[in-house]
Amino acid sequence: EIVMTQSPATLSVSPGERATLSCRASQSVSSNLVWYHQKPGQALRLLIYGASTRATGIPARFSGSGSGTEFTLTISSLQSEDFGIYYCQQYRDWWTFGQGTKVEIK
Amino acid sequence: EVQLVESGGGLVQPGGSLRLSCAASGFTFSSYWMTWVRQVPGKGLEWVANIKEDESEKYYVDSVKGRYTISRDNAKNSLYLQMNSLRAEDTAVYYCARLLRTLEGYYYMDVWGKGTTVTVSS
Repeated sequence: EIVMTQSPATLSVSPGERATLSCRASQSVSSNLVWYHQKPGQALRLLIYGASTRATGIPARFSGSGSGTEFTLTISSLQSEDFGIYYCQQYRDWWTFGQGTKVEIK
Repeated sequence: EVQLVESGGGLVQPGGSLRLSCAASGFTFSSYWMTWVRQVPGKGLEWVANIKEDESEKYYVDSVKGRYTISRDNAKNSLYLQMNSLRAEDTAVYYCARLLRTLEGYYYMDVWGKGTTVTVSS
């Protein structure tokens, strides 16, 4: 099983600031990685697929990078609606998720 | 609007059964693989099962094999998860999601429902 590890567990950010989230795979997943955003009581929202391609309707302030085992999600200027939990997930070998990074208001 | 709505969760005793449903709308349901994913309270997300468009292929995580059955009714645009012999560790929020195929033949979940809560407790 491919283990996904996210860091940090919690990120405190002020609105308008940049947020950088990391995700590491225990073995190479090539570019078969997605990022999701979850808010309480809401459906998970797909942000990024193929490690770096924004999903339909996702604002340009979200960007993904990386391949192999190291990945990054960057939110260039955090908006109020961006707070919540972010998950990475690999789909190279079945599906496994990171434990999440909680982005909270500083 | 593409939408998935789960239902059927609840409180059940250990050893009991429950059937979850997922109603799909806004897309051609019969053209997609579908999947169930669960989230244990305060913990991570775990893929549970998936099913091909025509039900000819079904896959399960080891921990539910022999206890859970995934199925679908394309005429009703609905996905199901029959859960038997439930255990305390099956307690979770269960989500249905649509699987989207990449050019390379891999699949990822692109649309999710809001989930339904299953609690297994005496």
